[in-house]
Amino acid sequence: VIWMTQSPSLLSASTGDRVTISCRMSQGISSYLAWYQQKPGKAPELLIYAASTLQSGVPSRFSGSGSGTDFTLTISCLQSEDFATYYCQQYYSFPRTFGQGTKVEIK
Amino acid sequence: EVQLVESGGGLVQPGGSLRLSCAASGFTFSSYDMHWVRQATGKGLEWVSAIGTAGDTYYPGSVKGRFTISRENAKNSLYLQMNSLRAGDTAVYYCARDLYGSGPMDVWGKGTTVTVSS
Repeated sequence: VIWMTQSPSLLSASTGDRVTISCRMSQGISSYLAWYQQKPGKAPELLIYAASTLQSGVPSRFSGSGSGTDFTLTISCLQSEDFATYYCQQYYSFPRTFGQGTKVEIK
Repeated sequence: EVQLVESGGGLVQPGGSLRLSCAASGFTFSSYDMHWVRQATGKGLEWVSAIGTAGDTYYPGSVKGRFTISRENAKNSLYLQMNSLRAGDTAVYYCARDLYGSGPMDVWGKGTTVTVSS
């Protein structure tokens, strides 16, 4: 099983801030990493896959980087609609695993 | 429009069984791997099972031997048979489409709620 450590669990920020979320793997996964956004009461939405590829329709203020064991999601200029919970997920092997989540809240 | 719609959730007693369904539309269902993912109230996402286009299946240890994923391509439908249910299985269950085979999940349903309680 590949374990994932996502940090921070809670991030307080203001509109316009640049924020970064980290995801660390217990073993290397090349670039088989995705990031999802979830808003309360809604299903998750795919933001980024292959560590850095932006899913169609996702604003360019979102970006991803990393490979191997360390990955980062960056939101360059936080907008009001970006306050949500973010999850990383590895698809390098089964069982698929998700990070614990990072809630981005209004400061 | 690409869409996934789950159904079949409800209240079941511990030790009971439930079968979830997921109806797919707007894409060639038979060409995609599919997943079930669950989320307990206030908790994170937990992957529950996957099925490939060839019918190969995968499970985490927490549900292996109790849950069975299946698909019926002629009906554009995905299923999750859940047996020996426990309180810890209480969650919203989402079905999701795999983007390109052993990939990320790019389309999600709205979810169906399963409550295991006496």
